[in-house]
Amino acid sequence: RKEVEQDPGPFNVPEGATVAFNCTYSNSASQSFFWYRQDCRKEPKLLMSVYSSGNEDGRFTAQLNRASQYISLLIRDSKLSDSATYLCVVNLRGGGADGLTFGKGTHLIIQP
Amino acid sequence: EPEVTQTPSHQVTQMGQEVILRCVPISNHLYFYWYRQILGQKVEFLVSFYNNEISEKSEIFDDQFSVERPDGSNFTLKIRSTKLEDSAMYFCASSDVLGGYSNQPQHFGDGTRLSIL
Repeated sequence: RKEVEQDPGPFNVPEGATVAFNCTYSNSASQSFFWYRQDCRKEPKLLMSVYSSGNEDGRFTAQLNRASQYISLLIRDSKLSDSATYLCVVNLRGGGADGLTFGKGTHLIIQP
Repeated sequence: EPEVTQTPSHQVTQMGQEVILRCVPISNHLYFYWYRQILGQKVEFLVSFYNNEISEKSEIFDDQFSVERPDGSNFTLKIRSTKLEDSAMYFCASSDVLGGYSNQPQHFGDGTRLSIL
């Protein structure tokens, strides 16, 4: 089973719409979960951490389902500037100095 | 807002040569990391560094690679005898204490694009 798996897309979504992505991870002992966004040929930038109870930051909502080992990201009222690749990122082994495991990313295109 | 800085932004090197990529992590961070991203592929972990020693390394981080913190601010990645397949974007990252347990995220520099000819 792939360690962190995402639908690569692309998702073509009209401006103002709501879009959701899912991601699955392989290790049930994983402790830390994040969504990063990456623009073309740029560095990954933290969008939000994902907490067990779910969390919201403006138009963005993240959920964690430990039983099913998946993470979701919901974007409401999408903007043209939301066009990017969204990376599901997990600390699979749960250690403080562990490297992060990245999914391949989901490509989102917001259309005017 | 404090940020991770990397130099150079682009490095072109002949195959077989040595290259050193440099990073200045965020000043109060204690954990440092190197990742790479081959064009069109996912970001891959190379190595983590804490308390002046390697904490974890991936299968990619073989004897060709080494890391060093030569002074209080810089964190370097050295690649000896570069190969064509080392061509990639290399990202440095840093995090605050206990990244895994406290859900502290890693903050990435804007990368060095390494091109091996």
